[in-house]
Amino acid sequence: DTGVSQDPRHKITKRGQNVTFRCDPISEHNRLYWYRQTLGQGPEFLTYFQNEAQLEKSRLLSDRFSAERPKGSFSTLEIQRTEQGDSAMYLCASSLRAGANVLTFGAGSRLTVL
Amino acid sequence: QQQVKQSPQSLIVQKGGISIINCAYENTAFDYFPWYQQFPGKGPALLIAIRPDVSEKKEGRFTISFNKSAKQFSLHIMDSQPGDSATYFCAASFNNQGGKLIFGQGTELSVKP
Repeated sequence: DTGVSQDPRHKITKRGQNVTFRCDPISEHNRLYWYRQTLGQGPEFLTYFQNEAQLEKSRLLSDRFSAERPKGSFSTLEIQRTEQGDSAMYLCASSLRAGANVLTFGAGSRLTVL
Repeated sequence: QQQVKQSPQSLIVQKGGISIINCAYENTAFDYFPWYQQFPGKGPALLIAIRPDVSEKKEGRFTISFNKSAKQFSLHIMDSQPGDSATYFCAASFNNQGGKLIFGQGTELSVKP
């Protein structure tokens, strides 16, 4: 197992474009989380899935953001009509339900919106 | 009430010294307090964690001290090494909310040889 994988690692886009990030969690982990981290700050919770069910969404997740985990395995985070304020590192993490507090993070996908 | 405040923002320590990072929280319902270590270009990695029913937890050179009455907890890194240079985040969560962690702002630690 190679841990939590995220793709792409870096994405530069122009304002108004749509972007999609993919996360492949650790295979036996049934919980998957998305966090956002801006420069010099700690990660902020966005949303999480238990298998394919999206159980909670933060107020930070505006209508332009949508996350899916269609088969309870990988997840995608799409940002529509990107704004410069969306520039951040988007981190994915996964955990076992039993040890839900113990998160394993991926290396993140860095988004730059010009 | 949902915030976790971390200090200092940056810290420089000589090799072999003790690094101390502090965090404070407001919500007494928090019941899980982890510390994460993040190297440049990597995601945060769990270092050590504590629950409020104990006052101290030690794992190797890393110790968490927890003061429930003061609503504070701290990370002590003994015999700090250059390889410990990283950004450290404290966090807190409610047990029934699993991995929904509330992170502090981070401390950038630099250990000088």
